[in-house]
Amino acid sequence: EDKVVQSPLSLVVHEGDTVTLNCSYEVTNFRSLLWYKQEKKAPTFLFMLTSSGIEKKSGRLSSILDKKELFSILNITATQTGDSAVYLCALLSGTYKYIFGTGTRLKVLA
Amino acid sequence: DGGITQSPKYLFRKEGQNVTLSCEQNLNHDAMYWYRQDPGQGLRLIYYSQIVNDFQKGDIAEGYSVSREKKESFPLTVTSAQKNPTAFYLCASSPGVEQFFGPGTRLTVL
Repeated sequence: EDKVVQSPLSLVVHEGDTVTLNCSYEVTNFRSLLWYKQEKKAPTFLFMLTSSGIEKKSGRLSSILDKKELFSILNITATQTGDSAVYLCALLSGTYKYIFGTGTRLKVLA
Repeated sequence: DGGITQSPKYLFRKEGQNVTLSCEQNLNHDAMYWYRQDPGQGLRLIYYSQIVNDFQKGDIAEGYSVSREKKESFPLTVTSAQKNPTAFYLCASSPGVEQFFGPGTRLTVL
């Protein structure tokens, strides 16, 4: 059975800290791994990863995929209170089916 | 303005009633999806549609029904057969890999 596991489930840090969020998976017919940020309602897209070892960066956020060990990490450096959100990892299996993890709830304290 | 709209934002239903949640997109995407999100959980796939007049069951389709008569529209009916319908419902569309989400509908069964 396909599954996506995220850890930790929740995390509380102080502004300026660096955090690493994990996503491990067991998925047949892997196509892509996606990271989303969900603040209140609609998740917003962060990254899409398809190849191992290639880091994607956007400002203070970065992500990398390891297809051999079946995991991805999302790093956030110099965290700000605006980074507080649920971070979702999703696997695209086959052409159209997405499998989501339970998410990591990040709270950044001022 | 291009995007995905969902209505209503909040919906209250008495037990035993069917309700229909609306999802409309003007992004010209072929694929559309319905997810359910419960507190502290990730997104679980209810139904998805790759093309007009075609749709497939997701992981938790029991008690739900959909239609896809137009490319822009993918309404979800929550039937009385759904035992625990109180949840946050998210609709998404996709041109290929990245998904774009609507703002969601929060359904509460009284």
